[in-house]
Amino acid sequence: KNEVEQSPQNLTAQEGEFITINCSYSVGISALHWLQQHPGGGIVSLFMLSSGKKKHGRLIATINIQEKHSSLHITASHPRDSAVYICAALSGGGADGLTFGKGTHLIIQP
Amino acid sequence: DGGITQSPKYLFRKEGQNVTLSCEQNLNHDAMYWYRQDPGQGLRLIYYSQIVNDFQKGDIAEGYSVSREKKESFPLTVTSAQKNPTAFYLCASSMGLDRQGYTFGSGTRLTVV
Repeated sequence: KNEVEQSPQNLTAQEGEFITINCSYSVGISALHWLQQHPGGGIVSLFMLSSGKKKHGRLIATINIQEKHSSLHITASHPRDSAVYICAALSGGGADGLTFGKGTHLIIQP
Repeated sequence: DGGITQSPKYLFRKEGQNVTLSCEQNLNHDAMYWYRQDPGQGLRLIYYSQIVNDFQKGDIAEGYSVSREKKESFPLTVTSAQKNPTAFYLCASSMGLDRQGYTFGSGTRLTVV
């Protein structure tokens, strides 16, 4: 089964800082998802990546298939970016083929 | 736009009552999934269905039941046998066995008092 590790587990930063959240996985995958979960709120799907890089507003996601690693970057961070960010790796294993990381809890202070 | 609708967003129930969480998709996806999230843990698979009238247990199926009578709908019942039902529940779907087009609902937060 795929092992998915996220780092850091918790991150507190000041408004305006550049944020990086990392996700590593142990076996080859077909795609990787990044999800956002606000406190007490629901899940929002941010990106689905199979290679390269995607950008949406201030969010950028990259993936390196050879190194089995993905990063989520937030530029010009804002307090409304405070949330839990979850990566999920899609591979051929398991009933649903999806293994979730435990999440990175991000707090952006004004 | 196509997507997955989970309702309600927040749900409160008394201990000992069964409760059913709704999940509807209009993506024409064959496969649907239910996950549970507890604090500090990754999402875990409860049940999945790859086709209408068929479903399989996931990693933590005890205390839950599902049905798949229609392609669009995959309701999850949290029974009184589930020892710790308070959690966040997430529904997802994909096109089929190749898991293309994996799409997530927004989730339902269930609190049992």
